[in-house]
Amino acid sequence: GQQLNQSPQSMFIQEGEDVSMNCTSSSIFNTWLWYKQDPGEGPVLLIALYKAGELTSNGRLTAQFGITRKDSFLNISASIPSDVGIYFCAGQHANFGNEKLTFGTGTRLTIIP
Amino acid sequence: DAGVIQSPRHEVTEMGQEVTLRCKPISGHDYLFWYRQTMMRGLELLIYFNNNVPIDDSGMPEDRFSAKMPNASFSTLKIQPSEPRDSAVYFCASMSGGAHNEQFFGPGTRLTVL
Repeated sequence: GQQLNQSPQSMFIQEGEDVSMNCTSSSIFNTWLWYKQDPGEGPVLLIALYKAGELTSNGRLTAQFGITRKDSFLNISASIPSDVGIYFCAGQHANFGNEKLTFGTGTRLTIIP
Repeated sequence: DAGVIQSPRHEVTEMGQEVTLRCKPISGHDYLFWYRQTMMRGLELLIYFNNNVPIDDSGMPEDRFSAKMPNASFSTLKIQPSEPRDSAVYFCASMSGGAHNEQFFGPGTRLTVL
């Protein structure tokens, strides 16, 4: 099925560093969502974005809905060990039904001790 | 509030056996989604329901897969007969509908078909 281009695929950082990841699409999206998945668990919603240009924060997390509606980024500031996991972007395509989400391929975050 | 509940969490079965995965969505949510996650293909939408009615089953891989939602608080995904390539993690998610499209996922069922 269709997937969003998410980068980077993996990141190895030290505790305390900032993290940045993004998703891009050739199509316009109405909604961008960011999820985190821990090993053995389901994805957990972190941030939801609904307007082009919207910038939203949730603690140390900040995400933006790109002005072109074709991209979004997620930043994590001052990373801590519990940030380890796989981060997925997901979007609701403007030309599809409202209910379906298209998911990115994921960014695996590893923190080096 | 209880989130999406899935059972079993782990299932190991032999090829040819019938497998039934279960899901209880968040109370009051109108939409229920079934996904499959593998390393090769990532998260794939299999089917979703609105008010217990299947809306889009285009992601169901084969006739061996079937899903039902007999009421607002219960759904099943059945594989009969199962094959080794069905081994994956299966997630159920629910959504309230309306203006927002926030889907909430269950913990998943890890299926291994030997």
